[in-house]
Amino acid sequence: ETGVTQTPRHLVMGMTNKKSLKCEQHLGHNAMYWYKQSAKKPLELMFVYSLEERVENNSVPSRFSPECPNSSHLFLHLHTLQPEDSALYLCASSQALGDRGFGNTIYFGEGSWLTVV
Amino acid sequence: TQLLEQSPQFLSIQEGENLTVYCNSSSVFSSLQWYRQEPGEGPVLLVTVVTGGEVKKLKRLTFQFGDARKDSSLHITAAQPGDTGLYLCAGASNAGNMLTFGGGTRLMVKP
Repeated sequence: ETGVTQTPRHLVMGMTNKKSLKCEQHLGHNAMYWYKQSAKKPLELMFVYSLEERVENNSVPSRFSPECPNSSHLFLHLHTLQPEDSALYLCASSQALGDRGFGNTIYFGEGSWLTVV
Repeated sequence: TQLLEQSPQFLSIQEGENLTVYCNSSSVFSSLQWYRQEPGEGPVLLVTVVTGGEVKKLKRLTFQFGDARKDSSLHITAAQPGDTGLYLCAGASNAGNMLTFGGGTRLMVKP
């Protein structure tokens, strides 16, 4: 069983659509992440949740809206996206330590390929 | 902001050749991870190194953490087409800090 599961694996959406990416982790972790990976840039951290509270938002446009209802689930709600938002969106999880620390090993899902047309 | 620079960015070699990938920074890291990402998949952890000078081996892969914990290398012996993928290094500045990722090295091993 894959530790971190993402759905859908592929998504094509128009610029006026609203869609959501879903992530579920089965590792007993309590920190979850969204990363963006595009062809010409390194992995970009978008959002981090630790113990269900958002602890970091790296200046991501408001057309991306995360939701973390519990420590096992993470969503990324998408609306009014632009073609340049087309990328692989990776969910990951790790242990959360005290004082907003993190276990230094993170485990990735297989990613959701997003194409905005 | 800490930066991790990986080199080379791209590498195309023939099956059976050896190669080394480098991960360098001016910052000290408490630990460093190497991940491999195959096309269409998410990154998968290969190894974590923690101690300066540490060497870890994973079959034909040898990972080394620099003595000063600022750099790391990955050496692959007798590369195979199955080694093809994107190799990412990631470091944590202190225990419990979030990881900083390098830009990756895209390796292609031709049969």
